[in-house]
Amino acid sequence: QQQVKQSPQSLIVQKGGIPIINCAYENTAFDYFPWYQQFPGKGPALLIAIRPDVSEKKEGRFTISFNKSAKQFSLHIMDSQPGDSATYFCAASGTGNQFYFGTGTSLTVIP
Amino acid sequence: KAGVTQTPRYLIKTRGQQVTLSCSPISGHRSVSWYQQTPGQGLQFLFEYFSETQRNKGNFPGRFSGRQFSNSRSEMNVSTLELGDSALYLCASSSTGGLNEKLFFGSGTQLSVL
Repeated sequence: QQQVKQSPQSLIVQKGGIPIINCAYENTAFDYFPWYQQFPGKGPALLIAIRPDVSEKKEGRFTISFNKSAKQFSLHIMDSQPGDSATYFCAASGTGNQFYFGTGTSLTVIP
Repeated sequence: KAGVTQTPRYLIKTRGQQVTLSCSPISGHRSVSWYQQTPGQGLQFLFEYFSETQRNKGNFPGRFSGRQFSNSRSEMNVSTLELGDSALYLCASSSTGGLNEKLFFGSGTQLSVL
């Protein structure tokens, strides 16, 4: 059973576009929601994270929007660049140091 | 500071064999977690070790086991390999394994079971 559901599976945008990746969860005990970026041949790297006490967090061109009542959160990439082409994973954790990951979104940014 | 190092990078085994994967965490990190990554499934948590003790375990069969040494290095063992065990196995380290701490991943070991 997938505790964190992620969509879409793949996404293609033009350079400068704003890709949006969505995630949903059921477990209300989750209180930390990170996004990871993974390039081919590399392990995932933390991009940005949010806690449920805020509705939005921005770091550079990356923004997380969080809707606690809907149990959904999303990643927006402003002014996307070809170098942003990667696989993105949302995740959630609650007690302990166990993270539940989404199934990933493969993003391609066309020059 | 060196990152998380996983060895070997690639492994090819046949069904029924066993395999051991190794992970060296970032210097000073005491928590090591293991994840299985497969296409379409994302990352699935296997287990987490802190100070040589397993603190958390995911929903995997007993064929999957691990251990951590006093220098925080960790190994993961899979016995009686099945075709479905083919995956990228990722190790992640964090400083204390505290709540919601940032994970640093290695590049993984790609295991193929024939």
